Amino acid sequence: SAVISQKPSRDICQRGTSLTIQCQVDSQVTMMFWYRQQPGQSLTLIATANQGSEATYESGFVIDKFPISRPNLTFSTLTVSNMSPEDSSIYLCSVALGGSSSYNEQFFGPGTRLTVL
Amino acid sequence: LAKTTQPISMDSYEGQEVNITCSHNNIATNDYITWYQQFPSQGPRFIIQGYKTKVTNEVASLFIPADRKSSTLSLPRVSLSDTAVYYCLVGDGGKLIFGQGTELSVKP
Repeated sequence: SAVISQKPSRDICQRGTSLTIQCQVDSQVTMMFWYRQQPGQSLTLIATANQGSEATYESGFVIDKFPISRPNLTFSTLTVSNMSPEDSSIYLCSVALGGSSSYNEQFFGPGTRLTVL
Repeated sequence: LAKTTQPISMDSYEGQEVNITCSHNNIATNDYITWYQQFPSQGPRFIIQGYKTKVTNEVASLFIPADRKSSTLSLPRVSLSDTAVYYCLVGDGGKLIFGQGTELSVKP
């Protein structure tokens, strides 16, 4: 298993500013993922962040808005840039361990609750 | 990636067995079927994963018919603490696409 922490746990931000969310894992992992979950909704995958390569973004998400860093095998950051109230959401990171058949088993962080005013 | 369909909500009572069925008609040969549980204000938690037939662990069983176009998560003797959203996903490794999930409410 893996233990994941996220910082901050929550924040209230002003429109037009940016927030960087940190994700720390207690073991080295290759595959990390960033999700967004709006209140009462399911999770939406933002991007896959593998160490040593550029993040891969899902449709509807772009690097300029959600830049991601993956400097090593235990850490990643997601920045929400030029925020608007529509960015208010919970942002979660997750990691996958093991071989290909195990990638469906992911461990999630507790999430960062972002409110944009 | 295969799309999944689940009931939006289900109600149950403590001590009952709960079965949540998921449809995934377009599942690919290499896809595994995985179920997650999510409590409010927490990240999803892996419950069980299978490829075919039946898989059982300490918290649940997963039944997968031969054609693999559906699967059923079985929770034996639920308690109030099993009230959560349950997600069915299919994939062959890498990214997970979450569907709407089933909101299970367990009543006393």
